[in-house]
Amino acid sequence: GQNIDQPTEMTATEGAIVQINCTYQTSGFNGLFWYQQHAGEAPTFLSYNVLDGLEEKGRFSSFLSRSKGYSYLLLKELQMKDSASYLCAVRDTGNQFYFGTGTSLTVIP
Amino acid sequence: GAVVSQHPSWVICKSGTSVKIECRSLDFQATTMFWYRQFPKQSLMLMATSNEGSKATYEQGVEKDKFLINHASLTLSTLTVTSAHPEDSSFYICSATSGSRHEQYFGPGTRLTVT
Repeated sequence: GQNIDQPTEMTATEGAIVQINCTYQTSGFNGLFWYQQHAGEAPTFLSYNVLDGLEEKGRFSSFLSRSKGYSYLLLKELQMKDSASYLCAVRDTGNQFYFGTGTSLTVIP
Repeated sequence: GAVVSQHPSWVICKSGTSVKIECRSLDFQATTMFWYRQFPKQSLMLMATSNEGSKATYEQGVEKDKFLINHASLTLSTLTVTSAHPEDSSFYICSATSGSRHEQYFGPGTRLTVT
C-alpha cells in the first residue's frame, strides 16, 4: 500500500513564501501530483513530478526526491486567494492514485 | 484542457431512496474513472476505480452493493447510491484519466444530502 504524510495545517502571511512538505512510502511510483482544493469545490491540478528536481510554474513550484520519498510545494508571493487545502497525491505503477489528507493553508494579511 | 462534468451538482433525497450521479469526460476518452467521497474538512477518500467495460474495483470498506458503479462507455461513468441513509450525505467527486494523460481531471462534485 501507500502512505502519504503532509502537515494538517499551515498559516502564512500575504506576500510571503510557504513550503508544504509531503513524504510518501510506496510499493511502486509513477508520479507525484499536487492539487489545490477550495472549500466546497473539487480539486484542481497544480503540478506533476515524475523525475527528481524542481518544476516551476509561475508562483508555484514543486520539488521531488524519489530516493527520499519526499516532495514539497512552494508558493511564492502569497495571495489571500491561496487560502485552500493542498493535496499531495502519488500514482503507482498500476495507475492508482493515493491522496494525502491535505494541508489546510490559511493566508493572513 | 480536459473537462469532466458531473450531474447533478447537488441533490436532496429521502432516506431509503436511490440516487444516480453521472460523470462525463467531455473532450477526451477516459479509460479510467475514479469515484471519491469527501466529508467536511477531510481529504478525498477513494471509493472505487472503474475501467471502461469492466467491473469496478472497490476500496476496502466500500459496499459494492450499495454504491453501484457502471462505466458503460469511454465518456460516461455512473455512481448509484442505493437505499441512501443520512450518513451517506457527502460530497461525491469523480475524476478521469486516459492513457495519453498523466493526471486526473476532476469533475465539479455532487453534494448529496439525505434527509
